[in-house]
Amino acid sequence: KQEVTQIPAALSVPEGENLVLNCSFTDSAIYNLQWFRQDPGKGLTSLLLIQSSQREQTSGRLNASLDKSSGRSTLYIAASQPGDSATYLCAVPGSNDYKLSFGAGTTVTVRA
Amino acid sequence: EAQVTQNPRYLITVTGKKLTVTCSQNMNHEYMSWYRQDPGLGLRQIYYSMNVEVTDKGDVPEGYKVSRKEKRNFPLILESPSPNQTSLYFCASSTVRGAKNIQYFGAGTRLSVL
Repeated sequence: KQEVTQIPAALSVPEGENLVLNCSFTDSAIYNLQWFRQDPGKGLTSLLLIQSSQREQTSGRLNASLDKSSGRSTLYIAASQPGDSATYLCAVPGSNDYKLSFGAGTTVTVRA
Repeated sequence: EAQVTQNPRYLITVTGKKLTVTCSQNMNHEYMSWYRQDPGLGLRQIYYSMNVEVTDKGDVPEGYKVSRKEKRNFPLILESPSPNQTSLYFCASSTVRGAKNIQYFGAGTRLSVL
Protein backbone atom coordinates (compact mmCIF):
# COMPACT_ATOMS: atom_id res chain seq x y z
CA LYS A 1 0.00 0.00 0.00
CA GLN A 2 1.30 3.43 -0.91
CA GLU A 3 2.32 5.56 2.09
CA VAL A 4 2.90 9.28 1.61
CA THR A 5 4.80 11.31 4.22
CA GLN A 6 5.37 15.03 4.49
CA ILE A 7 8.01 16.54 6.72
CA PRO A 8 7.96 18.95 8.49
CA ALA A 9 4.35 19.12 9.67
CA ALA A 10 4.67 22.87 10.16
CA LEU A 11 7.02 25.59 9.02
CA SER A 12 7.31 29.28 9.87
CA VAL A 13 9.53 31.63 7.86
CA PRO A 14 9.99 35.39 7.47
CA GLU A 15 8.70 37.01 4.31
CA GLY A 16 11.10 36.78 1.39
CA GLU A 17 12.70 33.50 2.42
CA ASN A 18 12.51 30.54 0.06
CA LEU A 19 10.31 27.62 1.15
CA VAL A 20 11.27 23.97 0.76
CA LEU A 21 8.54 21.38 1.35
CA ASN A 22 9.23 17.67 1.25
CA CYS A 23 7.10 14.72 0.23
CA SER A 24 8.13 11.07 0.23
CA PHE A 25 6.30 7.96 -0.99
CA THR A 26 7.00 4.29 -0.44
CA ASP A 27 6.11 2.83 -3.84
CA SER A 28 8.24 4.43 -6.55
CA ALA A 29 6.03 3.09 -9.38
CA ILE A 30 3.92 6.23 -9.47
CA TYR A 31 2.12 7.64 -12.48
CA ASN A 32 2.41 11.25 -11.37
CA LEU A 33 2.42 13.42 -8.24
CA GLN A 34 0.25 16.39 -7.43
CA TRP A 35 0.85 19.26 -5.07
CA PHE A 36 -2.16 20.99 -3.54
CA ARG A 37 -2.75 24.07 -1.46
CA GLN A 38 -5.43 24.13 1.26
CA ASP A 39 -6.69 27.35 2.82
CA PRO A 40 -8.82 27.34 5.99
CA GLY A 41 -12.50 27.08 5.15
CA LYS A 42 -11.76 26.36 1.53
CA GLY A 43 -11.14 23.27 -0.50
CA LEU A 44 -7.93 22.07 -2.03
CA THR A 45 -6.48 23.73 -5.10
CA SER A 46 -4.20 21.82 -7.42
CA LEU A 47 -0.90 23.70 -7.80
CA LEU A 48 1.25 21.43 -9.90
CA LEU A 49 0.98 17.99 -11.42
CA ILE A 50 4.31 16.42 -12.29
CA GLN A 51 4.35 13.33 -14.50
CA SER A 52 6.56 10.36 -13.65
CA SER A 53 8.66 11.05 -16.75
CA GLN A 54 9.42 14.60 -15.63
CA ARG A 55 12.12 15.72 -13.25
CA GLU A 56 10.52 19.05 -12.48
CA GLN A 57 7.55 21.30 -13.18
CA THR A 58 7.33 25.05 -12.74
CA SER A 59 4.52 27.55 -12.32
CA GLY A 60 5.46 31.12 -11.44
CA ARG A 61 7.30 31.10 -8.10
CA LEU A 62 6.57 27.41 -7.61
CA ASN A 63 8.85 24.61 -8.69
CA ALA A 64 8.27 20.93 -7.99
CA SER A 65 10.94 18.31 -8.45
CA LEU A 66 10.45 14.55 -8.60
CA ASP A 67 12.92 11.76 -7.96
CA LYS A 68 11.05 8.51 -8.44
CA SER A 69 13.98 6.26 -7.63
CA SER A 70 14.35 7.73 -4.16
CA GLY A 71 10.60 8.19 -3.67
CA ARG A 72 10.79 11.93 -3.11
CA SER A 73 9.32 15.17 -4.35
CA THR A 74 10.16 18.69 -3.25
CA LEU A 75 8.08 21.83 -3.66
CA TYR A 76 10.06 25.05 -3.76
CA ILE A 77 8.35 28.40 -3.30
CA ALA A 78 10.61 31.32 -4.10
CA ALA A 79 10.53 34.63 -2.26
CA SER A 80 7.70 33.70 0.08
CA GLN A 81 4.88 36.13 0.83
CA PRO A 82 2.30 36.22 3.65
CA GLY A 83 -0.27 35.13 1.06
CA ASP A 84 1.60 31.84 0.73
CA SER A 85 0.51 30.89 4.25
CA ALA A 86 -1.54 27.71 3.87
CA THR A 87 -1.30 23.95 4.17
CA TYR A 88 0.42 22.19 1.30
CA LEU A 89 -0.34 18.57 0.49
CA CYS A 90 1.12 16.11 -1.96
CA ALA A 91 -0.73 13.14 -3.43
CA VAL A 92 0.00 10.19 -5.70
CA PRO A 93 -2.39 7.82 -7.51
CA GLY A 94 -2.68 4.34 -6.05
CA SER A 95 -2.59 0.99 -7.76
CA ASN A 96 -5.48 1.83 -10.07
CA ASP A 97 -6.75 4.94 -11.81
CA TYR A 98 -9.17 5.83 -9.06
CA LYS A 99 -7.38 5.93 -5.74
CA LEU A 100 -5.36 8.89 -4.57
CA SER A 101 -3.10 8.74 -1.51
CA PHE A 102 -2.35 11.99 0.33
CA GLY A 103 0.32 13.08 2.75
CA ALA A 104 -0.81 14.74 5.99
CA GLY A 105 0.43 18.12 4.78
CA THR A 106 2.84 20.86 5.80
CA THR A 107 1.31 23.99 7.33
CA VAL A 108 3.26 27.06 6.28
CA THR A 109 3.21 30.43 8.00
CA VAL A 110 4.98 33.33 6.32
CA ARG A 111 5.59 36.18 8.78
CA ALA A 112 5.41 39.76 7.49
CA GLU B 1 -17.36 29.01 -13.55
CA ALA B 2 -16.09 25.45 -13.13
CA GLN B 3 -16.79 24.29 -9.62
CA VAL B 4 -17.61 21.50 -7.21
CA THR B 5 -20.35 22.46 -4.77
CA GLN B 6 -20.92 20.77 -1.45
CA ASN B 7 -23.85 21.29 0.90
CA PRO B 8 -24.14 21.89 3.71
CA ARG B 9 -20.84 23.55 4.65
CA TYR B 10 -21.37 22.97 8.35
CA LEU B 11 -23.52 20.38 10.08
CA ILE B 12 -24.05 19.41 13.71
CA THR B 13 -26.12 16.31 14.31
CA VAL B 14 -26.73 13.60 16.87
CA THR B 15 -25.78 9.96 16.87
CA GLY B 16 -28.02 7.80 14.70
CA LYS B 17 -29.80 10.56 12.78
CA LYS B 18 -29.44 9.88 9.06
CA LEU B 19 -27.88 12.63 6.98
CA THR B 20 -26.85 13.32 3.42
CA VAL B 21 -24.08 15.58 2.19
CA THR B 22 -24.61 16.63 -1.41
CA CYS B 23 -21.91 17.15 -4.02
CA SER B 24 -22.46 18.55 -7.49
CA GLN B 25 -20.01 19.41 -10.28
CA ASN B 26 -20.61 21.42 -13.45
CA MET B 27 -17.64 20.21 -15.49
CA ASN B 28 -19.17 17.02 -16.92
CA HIS B 29 -16.53 14.97 -15.11
CA GLU B 30 -16.77 11.21 -15.12
CA TYR B 31 -14.87 10.66 -11.88
CA MET B 32 -16.02 11.80 -8.44
CA SER B 33 -14.72 10.95 -5.02
CA TRP B 34 -15.28 11.57 -1.31
CA TYR B 35 -12.55 12.10 1.29
CA ARG B 36 -12.44 12.75 4.97
CA GLN B 37 -9.70 14.78 6.60
CA ASP B 38 -8.66 14.30 10.20
CA PRO B 39 -5.76 15.95 12.07
CA GLY B 40 -2.51 14.09 11.57
CA LEU B 41 -4.08 11.56 9.19
CA GLY B 42 -4.34 13.58 6.00
CA LEU B 43 -7.12 12.95 3.50
CA ARG B 44 -8.44 9.43 3.26
CA GLN B 45 -10.65 8.27 0.45
CA ILE B 46 -14.12 7.03 1.42
CA TYR B 47 -15.74 6.11 -1.91
CA TYR B 48 -15.25 6.94 -5.54
CA SER B 49 -17.27 6.71 -8.73
CA MET B 50 -15.88 6.14 -12.19
CA ASN B 51 -19.14 7.08 -13.92
CA VAL B 52 -22.93 6.94 -13.54
CA GLU B 53 -24.02 3.86 -11.58
CA VAL B 54 -20.40 2.76 -11.03
CA THR B 55 -19.00 3.19 -7.52
CA ASP B 56 -16.36 1.48 -5.40
CA LYS B 57 -14.92 1.59 -1.92
CA GLY B 58 -11.93 3.68 -0.97
CA ASP B 59 -9.80 3.17 2.12
CA VAL B 60 -12.36 4.02 4.82
CA PRO B 61 -15.86 3.14 3.54
CA GLU B 62 -17.35 1.77 6.78
CA GLY B 63 -20.45 3.67 7.88
CA TYR B 64 -20.93 5.47 4.57
CA LYS B 65 -23.00 4.98 1.43
CA VAL B 66 -22.93 6.73 -1.92
CA SER B 67 -24.94 6.78 -5.10
CA ARG B 68 -24.32 8.07 -8.61
CA LYS B 69 -27.59 8.30 -10.45
CA GLU B 70 -26.62 11.37 -12.44
CA LYS B 71 -23.25 12.38 -13.76
CA ARG B 72 -23.15 15.71 -11.94
CA ASN B 73 -24.19 14.50 -8.46
CA PHE B 74 -22.49 12.23 -5.95
CA PRO B 75 -24.15 12.37 -2.51
CA LEU B 76 -22.56 10.92 0.62
CA ILE B 77 -25.00 9.22 2.99
CA LEU B 78 -24.46 8.49 6.66
CA GLU B 79 -27.36 6.24 7.65
CA SER B 80 -26.49 6.09 11.35
CA PRO B 81 -23.78 8.64 12.14
CA SER B 82 -21.47 8.06 15.07
CA PRO B 83 -19.07 10.44 16.86
CA ASN B 84 -16.06 8.90 15.10
CA GLN B 85 -17.45 10.27 11.84
CA THR B 86 -16.89 13.81 13.08
CA SER B 87 -14.57 15.14 10.43
CA LEU B 88 -14.02 17.51 7.52
CA TYR B 89 -15.37 16.02 4.29
CA PHE B 90 -14.35 16.88 0.76
CA CYS B 91 -15.82 15.96 -2.58
CA ALA B 92 -13.61 15.94 -5.67
CA SER B 93 -14.06 15.42 -9.38
CA SER B 94 -11.87 14.80 -12.38
CA THR B 95 -12.01 13.71 -15.97
CA VAL B 96 -11.70 10.12 -17.16
CA ARG B 97 -8.72 8.30 -15.54
CA GLY B 98 -9.72 9.84 -12.27
CA ALA B 99 -6.87 9.98 -9.80
CA LYS B 100 -4.32 10.39 -12.57
CA ASN B 101 -5.69 13.76 -13.60
CA ILE B 102 -5.98 17.14 -11.93
CA GLN B 103 -8.48 16.98 -9.10
CA TYR B 104 -11.09 19.68 -8.44
CA PHE B 105 -12.26 19.92 -4.86
CA GLY B 106 -15.31 21.32 -3.16
CA ALA B 107 -14.97 23.74 -0.23
CA GLY B 108 -15.60 21.04 2.35
CA THR B 109 -18.29 20.08 4.85
CA ARG B 110 -17.46 20.18 8.53
CA LEU B 111 -19.53 17.56 10.33
CA SER B 112 -19.90 17.18 14.09
CA VAL B 113 -21.73 14.14 15.45
CA LEU B 114 -22.69 14.47 19.12
